[in-house]
Amino acid sequence: DIQMTQSPSTLSASIGDTVTITCRAGQSISSWLAWYQQKPGKAPKLLIYQASSLQSGVPPRFSGSGSGTEFTLTINSLQPDDFATYYCQQYYSYRTFGQGTKLEI
Amino acid sequence: EVQLVESGGGLVKPGESLRVSCAASGFTFTNAWMSWVRQAPGKGLEWVGRIKSKVNGGTADYAPPVQGRFAISRDDAENTLYLQMSSLKTEDTAVYFCVTEGLDSRGWYGKFDHWGQGTLVTVSS
Repeated sequence: DIQMTQSPSTLSASIGDTVTITCRAGQSISSWLAWYQQKPGKAPKLLIYQASSLQSGVPPRFSGSGSGTEFTLTINSLQPDDFATYYCQQYYSYRTFGQGTKLEI
Repeated sequence: EVQLVESGGGLVKPGESLRVSCAASGFTFTNAWMSWVRQAPGKGLEWVGRIKSKVNGGTADYAPPVQGRFAISRDDAENTLYLQMSSLKTEDTAVYFCVTEGLDSRGWYGKFDHWGQGTLVTVSS
């Protein structure tokens, strides 16, 4: 199975900051990558798919980029509602998640 | 509105079996690819397995930790997805989410666009 590695595991930031989370795949996955946001006690929410396509209803301050083995999720102008845990997920071959990045104040 | 409602979780002993269900509504279940994703307490997300729509073969695939012990099935007449879990281990303790797999713009399934609220399965002696 394809291993997904996120960095950093924890990220401290402030309201208004721009942050970037990186996800690396163990082999090339083309653009078959999605990003999710999860808040405590809730189901995850799809933010980005196909590496850079914004899911309907997601604010445009979220953006994704990359292809092959290196991907990034960028959040511009952090809002209070953005503090959560973020996961990447490949769907090139079966499905695998990264270990998560906790974004905290 | 898409709704996915899981049920059937509970406390079981190691080695026992349990079946959890997911009642789906608000979309054409017959055409949907569906996955199960789990999350152990305080841990990250883990894909469990997926079942394709019958028109795409209806086959299921599983993550290595559950291969041979878990089985996913579907009842398209009842719009219900199932996860049959056997030979349960303490490490199977988790919230189990039912998830729809959407198509991306290149016609590839795999983005998890709708999630249920999850059902907790606890495996403990």
